[in-house]
Amino acid sequence: KAGVTQTPRYLIKTRGQQVTLSCSPISGHRSVSWYQQTPGQGLQFLFEYFSETQRNKGNFPGRFSGRQFSNSRSEMNVSTLELGDSALYLCASSSLPSGRSQETQYFGPGTRLLVL
Amino acid sequence: QKEVEQNSGPLSVPEGAIASLNCTYSDRGSQSFFWYRQYSGKSPELIMFIYSNGDKEDGRFTAQLNKASQYVSLLIRDSQPSDSATYLCAVNGRDKIIFGKGTRLHILP
Repeated sequence: KAGVTQTPRYLIKTRGQQVTLSCSPISGHRSVSWYQQTPGQGLQFLFEYFSETQRNKGNFPGRFSGRQFSNSRSEMNVSTLELGDSALYLCASSSLPSGRSQETQYFGPGTRLLVL
Repeated sequence: QKEVEQNSGPLSVPEGAIASLNCTYSDRGSQSFFWYRQYSGKSPELIMFIYSNGDKEDGRFTAQLNKASQYVSLLIRDSQPSDSATYLCAVNGRDKIIFGKGTRLHILP
């Protein structure tokens, strides 16, 4: 079974621009979660989508948004980029939503975003 | 109180010794617990999960869970240089998985 894929793998943008990142989950998985990882803050939860619905959102400004399509692929968008948005953006998929289930999340390779 | 806490390290362990990584969590209702390994520049890779109190062994790895103490640990036996990485503890909370900031492990040859 193919793993989680993310595109693009690397991205360089300038302040004020916007960016869209894509994530294709493992076949059959309907839950996609997005995380931002920086050296100082560790893995921070952005949001989770399950069956095209946002289930949960982390503590990020409204510039960060996402969506999920009927084939479970997900995109996240960051508008008006700031220097502090430079990070590794990871998506993870699972067959069921997070919570008290015993579901396991599997991570994609990530998209490394550099904002200049 | 942080939801999932880990010692950031670095934890230095001689090759062949046992590495012990610890994690505490705040939500008493949490029911599933995970350990991920992350090499520098790579994404996290699941290495162990545990749901019940006690020990769970998989090869050189043993996960230990004590729900009464809200404590989960990972033991790595016969540590190898390839085990040098950051280890992330993750807890399945009420509606999302919460990650600790990770412990950097360095195996000394």
